[in-house]
Amino acid sequence: TQLLEQSPQFLSIQEGENLTVYCNSSSVFSSLQWYRQEPGEGPVLLVTVVTGGEVKKLKRLTFQFGDARKDSSLHITAAQPGDTGLYLCAGVRTSYDKVIFGPGTSLSVIP
Amino acid sequence: ETGVTQTPRHLVMGMTNKKSLKCEQHLGHNAMYWYKQSAKKPLELMFVYNFKEQTENNSVPSRFSPECPNSSHLFLHLHTLQPEDSALYLCASSQGSSGTYEQYFGPGTRLTVT
Repeated sequence: TQLLEQSPQFLSIQEGENLTVYCNSSSVFSSLQWYRQEPGEGPVLLVTVVTGGEVKKLKRLTFQFGDARKDSSLHITAAQPGDTGLYLCAGVRTSYDKVIFGPGTSLSVIP
Repeated sequence: ETGVTQTPRHLVMGMTNKKSLKCEQHLGHNAMYWYKQSAKKPLELMFVYNFKEQTENNSVPSRFSPECPNSSHLFLHLHTLQPEDSALYLCASSQGSSGTYEQYFGPGTRLTVT
């Protein structure tokens, strides 16, 4: 059983569409991160959220941390082909000292 | 160079070979990690080093042997690997004292075992 679940597993959309991907757990996290990984490369950190209910924006990407700090979402507005990649959420559970990763959502944006 | 670098980027080796992967971080971090990423599987944490001391070994087979001579360098020595060990091997570093353990990854080494 994964400590962090991500949905959907795969997503293929047309350029210009909006989308939301989710990261869920039954555990409480002191912080949660989102990464994007392009084929053949390492993941790149996009954002870290630490406060329940926190919302952060990065251009067309909006990240939200759930009030109970057990879940997070990533919303992309007007998706572009350059958004294509594997989106990974990762978190540090309260009282633990290491990051755990979810399985990822593979996003394909078709021109 | 900046960030986290890994060499080689691609490696093909036979099951009887011995090879080493190298990672170097230029971020001044105190923790370094090895991850394995296989097709259709989540990232698997293999080893963690804090201030050169190994703090985690996630039940990794002994054919993988890590070495951390200092806080900036990390090696993964490989010997008598199996075809199922073919994967993308990622190195990462973090500043452990930050509490968030944000991972800064290298580009990875694509390993193929024949």
